[in-house]
Amino acid sequence: AQSVTQPDIHITVSEGASLELRCNYSYGATPYLFWYVQSPGQGLQLLLKYFSGDTLVQGIKGFEAEFKRSQSSFNLRKPSVHWSDAAEYFCAVGLNQAGTALIFGKGTTLSVSS
Amino acid sequence: GAVVSQHPSRVICKSGTSVKIECRSLDFQATTMFWYRQFPKQSLMLMATSNEGSKATYEQGVEKDKFLINHASLTLSTLTVTSAHPEDSSFYICSARGLREETQYFGPGTRLLVL
Repeated sequence: AQSVTQPDIHITVSEGASLELRCNYSYGATPYLFWYVQSPGQGLQLLLKYFSGDTLVQGIKGFEAEFKRSQSSFNLRKPSVHWSDAAEYFCAVGLNQAGTALIFGKGTTLSVSS
Repeated sequence: GAVVSQHPSRVICKSGTSVKIECRSLDFQATTMFWYRQFPKQSLMLMATSNEGSKATYEQGVEKDKFLINHASLTLSTLTVTSAHPEDSSFYICSARGLREETQYFGPGTRLLVL
């Protein structure tokens, strides 16, 4: 069965420090991979997505993610975290060719300390 | 980017009543819309997929008679929670996808509290 694992439930990073949020997926075919961010009480905003091609994808707000097929991973990174990045981050995989229904990981809560 | 709105953003209702939540794609035609439910501190769980003009496809364990979904136009889908119970209290989020689009765009969510 398809699944997405985000091993870290909660991460605290100092402002200005680098960030890496982990995501591992289990899916038989070529996955469509997404990272979304959710601020408290808000909907989800797409940070970036991977469908094919270059395995390092750039997103909004200075985020990037790297698809590693051999490790079934799609980790999210940011070189320097800002206080406004504190939020819930969800990794998701698209189930089929059209990338329709998404399966989400349980999310990682990012706290930023000053 | 594409914009999806939801209305209302927050609703409180009495147990036994019905509540309708609207999901609209504002600047694109959404051939497919999805309804998710999110419990506090948890991930999003897909409830159903609706394609314009056809019946919604519900995920296993989701009662179709309780959560009525209508996708009557390319810009509007509605979720009606019928005979609401306190355990239906949750955050409901819709998303929309256009034809030949691989990306879903999410609405801001509707927080439902059933008393």
